[in-house]
Amino acid sequence: AQSVTQLDSQVPVFEEAPVELRCNYSSSVSVYLFWYVQYPNQGLQLLLKYLSGSTLVESINGFEAEFNKSQTSFHLRKPSVHISDTAEYFCAVKRTAGNMLTFGGGTRLMVKP
Amino acid sequence: NAGVTQTPKFQVLKTGQSMTLQCAQDMNHEYMSWYRQDPGMGLRLIHYSVGAGITDQGEVPNGYNVSRSTTEDFPLRLLSAAPSQTSVYFCASSGQGAKETQYFGPGTRLLVL
Repeated sequence: AQSVTQLDSQVPVFEEAPVELRCNYSSSVSVYLFWYVQYPNQGLQLLLKYLSGSTLVESINGFEAEFNKSQTSFHLRKPSVHISDTAEYFCAVKRTAGNMLTFGGGTRLMVKP
Repeated sequence: NAGVTQTPKFQVLKTGQSMTLQCAQDMNHEYMSWYRQDPGMGLRLIHYSVGAGITDQGEVPNGYNVSRSTTEDFPLRLLSAAPSQTSVYFCASSGQGAKETQYFGPGTRLLVL
């Protein structure tokens, strides 16, 4: 079985500051890794995913995440956040031979002016 | 292309009542799933389906039934609502395979009194 731990339930940060949202996972088999974002009163949207190849993956709105196999981590970073980044962020894993996502508990990013 | 749609958006039930949450997708996806979202617990898988006529249990299936008579629709039935089923419910769909992105509906907020 897989499990995902998001180490921070809430992260307050000022606008234009850098941010890191931490994600660690546990799995006995190979997995793919995902970050989803949920804006207030909406469903989840895929932010980025790691399937293979370069361990650094980027999204179109400036977020990036690095897969670290030895530390079983997939932390999400952005060098300069905007008010519009205020949302809840979910890290998730999926076995490479399956369909089911396993989610972490979520991190609420609160960007303050 | 509407993606994944869910109805209703909000529902209040009394303990013991039954209801059906509707989910439909127009992307011809084979895989569909239902999650519940509770504070601090992320999303937990209730039931899933890998194609019409095929369903299986996820992590928290008790008190819920599903069926998949068509590729497009995947309703979730609450047989006898309990206050512990107060939650936000999300339906998701994807193509078959671990690399496929899951697309989420906007959610149904359920309150059981």
